[in-house]
Amino acid sequence: DTEVTQTPKHLVMGMTNKKSLKCEQHMGHRAMYWYKQKAKKPPELMFVYSYEKLSINESVPSRFSPECPNSSLLNLHLHALQPEDSALYLCASSPGDRARQETQYFGPGTRLLVL
Amino acid sequence: AQKITQTQPGMFVQEKEAVTLDCTYDTSDQSYGLFWYKQPSSGEMIFLIYQGSYDEQNATEGRYSLNFQKARKSANLVISASQLGDSAMYFCAMREQYSGNTPLVFGKGTRLSVIA
Repeated sequence: DTEVTQTPKHLVMGMTNKKSLKCEQHMGHRAMYWYKQKAKKPPELMFVYSYEKLSINESVPSRFSPECPNSSLLNLHLHALQPEDSALYLCASSPGDRARQETQYFGPGTRLLVL
Repeated sequence: AQKITQTQPGMFVQEKEAVTLDCTYDTSDQSYGLFWYKQPSSGEMIFLIYQGSYDEQNATEGRYSLNFQKARKSANLVISASQLGDSAMYFCAMREQYSGNTPLVFGKGTRLSVIA
């Protein structure tokens, strides 16, 4: 099973709202990722967690706050977002054990609209 | 630094025909992996196929095969017997091998449209 789940599928929020995106995997993967994807563009890496510790933050604004409560869950807390933050947010996971292949498996994404 | 180039913004193919999506790459790493992902309009990135830099054989997965030419730094995806459901965005990506959580580097993608 290579399933990564994400909730919600769609989210509309105002610029003063606080919301959270959730991601879950049960493949025993130890690396988890958040990507942002604008229309007709490739995914852009935001954060990487390795063994539940934040290992990469690609200079993401503080209005995005990641959290990894345990090895299966990854959250992205959103606060005071801007309309330009509207995008598809993708979560991914990979074994994280320095394997040769280290394939990343993606969830279905959350389509976020900021009004 | 790694770089992926996909020069075909869009491609059309007739149903049941084969199609090749181009991907060239640049890297100073000796050991690296190349990946192809499919992204339908629903948004999910679906892993298709993987090729390691030291793999002697070209990778194949069902109707997908990867034409790996290391000297030319190319990793083209070949889809045989195209189906209407193959219409999607296709991304070529790479990363260093044996490096744990090193991020993927993506190309800009190629939109494939399969015509009945």
